[in-house]
This record gives sequence, C-alpha cells and structure tokens, in this order.
Amino acid sequence: DAMVIQNPRYQVTQFGKPVTLSCSQTLNHNVMYWYQQKSSQAPKLLFHYYDKDFNNEADTPDNFQSRRPNTSFCFLDIRSPGLGDAAMYLCATSRGTELGSYEQYFGPGTRLTVT
Amino acid sequence: AQRVTQPEKLLSVFKGAPVELKCNYSYSGSPELFWYVQYSRQRLQLLLRHISRESIKGFTADLNKGETSFHLKKPFAQEEDSAMYYCALSGPSNTGFQKLVFGTGTRLLVSP
Repeated sequence: DAMVIQNPRYQVTQFGKPVTLSCSQTLNHNVMYWYQQKSSQAPKLLFHYYDKDFNNEADTPDNFQSRRPNTSFCFLDIRSPGLGDAAMYLCATSRGTELGSYEQYFGPGTRLTVT
Repeated sequence: AQRVTQPEKLLSVFKGAPVELKCNYSYSGSPELFWYVQYSRQRLQLLLRHISRESIKGFTADLNKGETSFHLKKPFAQEEDSAMYYCALSGPSNTGFQKLVFGTGTRLLVSP
C-alpha cells in the first residue's frame, strides 16, 4: 500500500543531544510537511517542502531544521532538544500543482521524549 | 489571525443519538475548511472538506460564513465513530501548498 512511514515511532533523547526523525513516502507526492503536536494541543506546522524548495514557518525555532535528499525522504533535525520539544511529530505529504493542492496524507507520527 | 476553535474536548453520546461536533474559525478571507479524524491507533486522515459537499460515513458539515462555523453532524452515532476529530482550515489552495491550521480536537465517545 502506498503510504507515509515515520521512523522511529518512539524516540528518547537527552537534553541538548541532537536527534533526527525520518519520514518516507511511497505516494510520489511533491509536497512534504512536518507538524509538531504537543500534548492536548493542535498539530502545528513547522515547515514544508514544495519539491526541493524549503519553506519555514515564521515562528518555527532555529533549533529545528529539515532536509529532503530526494522525493521520497524528508528528515527533521533538532539540533539541541529542550524539554519543551517533547511532542508528537507528524509528517504529511500531498500532491501540489500550480492549480492547487490536494489532500494531505499523514504518517503515524514519532513521539519524542527528552530526558 | 487564523484560528480554529473546538470548544468541546470530549463529547459522549449513546449509540443512535445525534452528534454535533462544533467548530468555529477566524480567518480574513475565504478559507477552506476540513474535518480530520483519528481512530484509535491509526493515523490522522481526512474525513471531509467543505468544497466537496459530500457525506462521508454519514457525517456532513456545512460552512456557515455568517457564523464562521463548520460544525460536523451525524444523525445517528455508531460505536465505530468513536475517535478524535480535528477541524482545520487553510487558505486558498491555488499555490500548490496547503497550510493547515488545526483546532485542538474533540474526542467523541459513542457508548452502546
């Protein structure tokens, strides 16, 4: 089945230790998104890639970076995790054209714990 | 400012009862409105969008621009409807990119 895959599903890291979350997709979608969802809060968009173009949300901390080496893969790097970065991180993909964008497909999420 | 408000964290009903999950939004312009659902141990998925004007799994939602609302309704709830429901909005999608702004969600529990 075509889908969005996130690894690992659970990640524990230490305060200040860099961590990378990964997302892959078999849908061949050109747009990929990263959301952060803290406990009992709404998912919040951090950034997205439209093809190779990276688009950061204005309020996304500099601590968060992303890489997209090819269409299928996208990574979220947290350079120096703080306790406040503990959250569920959701990856999503969609097809986007100059005519519009289509349904977003979400991965299962990675739950990050910072100790 | 773009904002989505779901006033109820939890809605508990009995099977066969009508359901209405409330959603109000704030947006300057003409947004697109969506309902996403997350069943237990499953990923977030699109339930319906206002421009489609469809009924999915018996659910409907009507965009009321005057009241800036997009409430989700179902006349007869089923146990399998138990899930987390998120209302979301985005701006016009003619850029090829869809920035979703989500509400905090409402957990629907349908008891037998």
